[in-house]
Amino acid sequence: EPEVTQTPSHQVTQMGQEVILRCVPISNHLYFYWYRQILGQKVEFLVSFYNNEISEKSEIFDDQFSVERPDGSNFTLKIRSTKLEDSAMYFCASTGGSYNEQFFGPGTRLTVL
Amino acid sequence: AQSVTQLGSHVSVSEGALVLLRCNYSSSVPPYLFWYVQYPNQGLQLLLKYTSAATLVKGINGFEAEFKKSETSFHLTKPSAHMSDAAEYFCAVSAPGSSNTGKLIFGQGTTLQVKP
Repeated sequence: EPEVTQTPSHQVTQMGQEVILRCVPISNHLYFYWYRQILGQKVEFLVSFYNNEISEKSEIFDDQFSVERPDGSNFTLKIRSTKLEDSAMYFCASTGGSYNEQFFGPGTRLTVL
Repeated sequence: AQSVTQLGSHVSVSEGALVLLRCNYSSSVPPYLFWYVQYPNQGLQLLLKYTSAATLVKGINGFEAEFKKSETSFHLTKPSAHMSDAAEYFCAVSAPGSSNTGKLIFGQGTTLQVKP
C-alpha cells in the first residue's frame, strides 16, 4: 500500500541553524501539506502546496519557513533560522483531491536546543 | 472560519464498554468532517469521514460517527472497546469552497485509555 514517508524521524539542531525536513508524498497525489504538533497541543496547519506553488499558509508560516518540490517527488519544509519554539512534530500529508482523505507521514520530531 | 472542539482530553473505558468521543465543530459553510487516530510514534490514520452523503458514517475498526447539523456535532462511537483502541483521536474539519485548499483544522485530541 502506498504511503507517505518522512526523513529524518528525529532532528536535533541548535537555535539559529537551518533545517530541512523531507517528505515523499504518494506518487499520484497533487495536493501537499505540512502540519505541526507542539508537544501536548493540537495539530496545526502550516501550509498547502498545489501546482508547484503555495496555495494557502497559516500565520505560523512566516518568512523563516519555505517549501518546495524540487524534483517532482520530494516535498521539503525549510526553516531558515530555528527558534526554540519551533520544537515540534512536523507532519507531511498528501491527497489526490483537495477534499479527499489526506494521507499522513509518520512525522519528524524537531528538537531545537 | 472553521474550528473544532473535542470535549474531554482523556477518556477511559473498560474493555468491552461503549466508546464515545465527542466533537463539535463550527463552520460557515457545510463542512467535511474527519476522525483520525494516532498510535504512539506513528502518523495520523483516517478512521472515517463525512462529506455530505449519509449522516451516519462507518469507518475502520468498528468505529462510526453521526453528523448532526442541528447540534453541530460529529461524535465518534464504537460499541465495544478493545485494548488495541488505546490511542489519540483527532476530529478535524475542512470547508469546501473556492477559497479553501482542503486544509484540515484539528481539535485538541482525545486520549482513549482502555482498561482490562
